[in-house]
Amino acid sequence: QVQLVESGGGVVQPGRSLRLSCADSGFSFSNYAMHWVRQAPGKGLEWVAVISYDGSNKYYADSVKGRFTIFRDNSKNTLYLQMNSLRVEDTAVYYCARNDGDIGAGGMDVWGQGTTVTVSS
Amino acid sequence: SYVLTQPPSVSVAPGKTASITCGGNNIGGRSVHWYQQKPGQAPVVVIYYDGDRPSGIPERFTGSNSGNTATLTISRVEAGDEADYYCQVWDSSSDHRGVFGGGTKLTVL
Repeated sequence: QVQLVESGGGVVQPGRSLRLSCADSGFSFSNYAMHWVRQAPGKGLEWVAVISYDGSNKYYADSVKGRFTIFRDNSKNTLYLQMNSLRVEDTAVYYCARNDGDIGAGGMDVWGQGTTVTVSS
Repeated sequence: SYVLTQPPSVSVAPGKTASITCGGNNIGGRSVHWYQQKPGQAPVVVIYYDGDRPSGIPERFTGSNSGNTATLTISRVEAGDEADYYCQVWDSSSDHRGVFGGGTKLTVL
């Protein structure tokens, strides 16, 4: 059973940092590009970032560029999202998702259950 | 930046056919993926690469893509199909980024 499990969400004040993790189980994590996607309360899906299978290529949404960093540790089968300078508008459920195929080719075929980030003073 | 446009809502009676559109400039030249999201759950891909179905997705779900419109069609709609549906593409035209449509709420009457 292929499964992704996110962790690290919580309540944080504006301007602070938070690191999310996404651990895989059941598939060859190091063979796949991985995404972070978020969903603000009552809103639609927003793509956040993607990283290639080996970590050599990373792309970000304009809304997070310069503040968020996606990285991975294939030895631990874990994906991360380092979020700095958090803003109220970053409040959302954050999902990690596996990319089917190379970056730019496939869709997101496996999703985690999501972890909630709330940015509030 | 590339924009995908979906109708906010579509309503359909059980047993009928629902069509959900996704509009974008020359979207027919891109691969479109469709996701279903039920309340409180993570999204699930229902259509890959315009019209391919992942294993476990009923044949009632089909997709097409041409010109400026991609379409998700759900035949013989069931109550369990009620959900939000999102289209998604990859945009490499200026910078590399994923793009989601705004989502369509499918209501089964």
